[in-house]
Amino acid sequence: DIQMTQSPSSLSASVGDRVTITCQASQDIKNYLNWYQQRPGKAPQLLIYDASFLQTGVPSRFSGSGSGTDFTLTINSLQPEDFATYYCQQYGDLVCSFGQGTKLEIK
Amino acid sequence: QVQLVESGGGVVQPGRSLRLSCAPSGFTFSNYAMHWVRQAPGKGLEWVALIWYDGSNKKYVDSVKGRFTISRDNSENSLYLQMNSLRVEDTAVYYCVRDPLYCTSTSCHFRMDVWGQGTTVTVSS
Repeated sequence: DIQMTQSPSSLSASVGDRVTITCQASQDIKNYLNWYQQRPGKAPQLLIYDASFLQTGVPSRFSGSGSGTDFTLTINSLQPEDFATYYCQQYGDLVCSFGQGTKLEIK
Repeated sequence: QVQLVESGGGVVQPGRSLRLSCAPSGFTFSNYAMHWVRQAPGKGLEWVALIWYDGSNKKYVDSVKGRFTISRDNSENSLYLQMNSLRVEDTAVYYCVRDPLYCTSTSCHFRMDVWGQGTTVTVSS
C-alpha cells in the first residue's frame, strides 16, 4: 500500500503570510494527488486535483505542484478563512489514502 | 443544488451490523463514482471504500475488507455501506463523497469533489 507523509503536522502563520505544506508518497504516484481543506466541524472541500489543477471556485491563492513522490500545496497571502486542516490524498493504485493532515493555526 | 445526505448512523455494540445510506440530489447520480470516507473523533481522514459509477468495480481499505460492503442502486438514487462485525475502532463520522472519475486507456483519475455532512457511527458496549 502507498503511504503518504505530510509535513509539518502543524503550522502557525499570520494573515498575509505565504505557507507551504508538503506531502511525500512512499512510491511513484505520477500526479495522482489531491489536496483538501477541512474547517472545524465541517466536511472537507477539494482544493487541488491531479497535483496542480485548481478546483472550480477555489481562490487562486491556492496552488499545487509536484509529481512522482514529492508534492507541495502553497497558499499565498493567507486569509482568516484559510486557517484549517489540510490533507493530501493519493490514488496511485486505485486504492485511495490520505496524509495525516496539517493543522494551520493563527500565530 | 448538489447535495449528499447520509443517514443510518447510531450507537451499536461491537460485533453488530449497521447500514449507512446516502441520498444524492442535484446531479445525475449514475454518472459518478462514489466513496465512503470516515473520520474518527479528533483524528484525520480515512478512505473506506469506492464504487464505480455503474457498480462494476469496488475497492476497500484493508481494515474493512470482508466486513464492509459498498453498493449502489442507480434506479433508486442511493448509495449504501453495509457494515458487519463492527469494532470499537470503526467509531467515526462517515462521509458520502462524489467523484467525477474519468479513465483513459492507461489511467483513471479520481477527485472527491462533493461531500455530505456525515453521519456518526459509535461502536461501544
